[in-house]
Amino acid sequence: DAGVTQSPTHLIKTRGQQVTLRCSPKSGHDTVSWYQQALGQGPQFIFQYYEEEERQRGNFPDRFSGHQFPNYSSELNVNALLLGDSALYLCASSLTGVSTDTQYFGPGTRLTVL
Amino acid sequence: AQKITQTQPGMFVQEKEAVTLDCTYDTSDPSYGLFWYKQPSSGEMIFLIYQGSYDQQNATEGRYSLNFQKARKSANLVISASQLGDSAMYFCAMREDFYNQGGKLIFGQGTELSVKP
Repeated sequence: DAGVTQSPTHLIKTRGQQVTLRCSPKSGHDTVSWYQQALGQGPQFIFQYYEEEERQRGNFPDRFSGHQFPNYSSELNVNALLLGDSALYLCASSLTGVSTDTQYFGPGTRLTVL
Repeated sequence: AQKITQTQPGMFVQEKEAVTLDCTYDTSDPSYGLFWYKQPSSGEMIFLIYQGSYDQQNATEGRYSLNFQKARKSANLVISASQLGDSAMYFCAMREDFYNQGGKLIFGQGTELSVKP
């Protein structure tokens, strides 16, 4: 049973560039959530996708956008990168329609902005 | 305002002993879920245990149990018989509107647990 996978593992970008991170949910899951985790902090919710639409969004600027594909995989795009965007980006998947709706996380993508 | 507080930045425990990691929460929603995750140095967030606000019994999963005290708004994680592999960051998280689908997790700052041989 495949778990949540993310790519790439690590990424180095410079200020002003754009980046795309990818996530494949756990087998059987249909909902994907993205989180940003700065060093030494707990993860912060970016947004959640279900049925190819953004269902909920956290307090992040419009530079952060996403997409969900028909196979439930998802992308996180960040435009005009800032130094403060350096963080671990975590993707979590869950199954909508199940009472507990537990989110399972992938290994993360570590983004460094220089 | 919804909030999770973990007041112990770091904890030490001797191997084979039990340890309690504290978590308090604040919410005005009567329907919420509380979750604990483990994050080793590799970075992956591993789900351990959850408790729904209407669940009557405290949750248990193997060596993990959740000491849920609703009136005190606390949801402490108890790890019995600690093992060296338990050394990691532990995060408490909450999801409001728990019995409906979807919704974000709100995380605390985490507690770093070190297990001594």
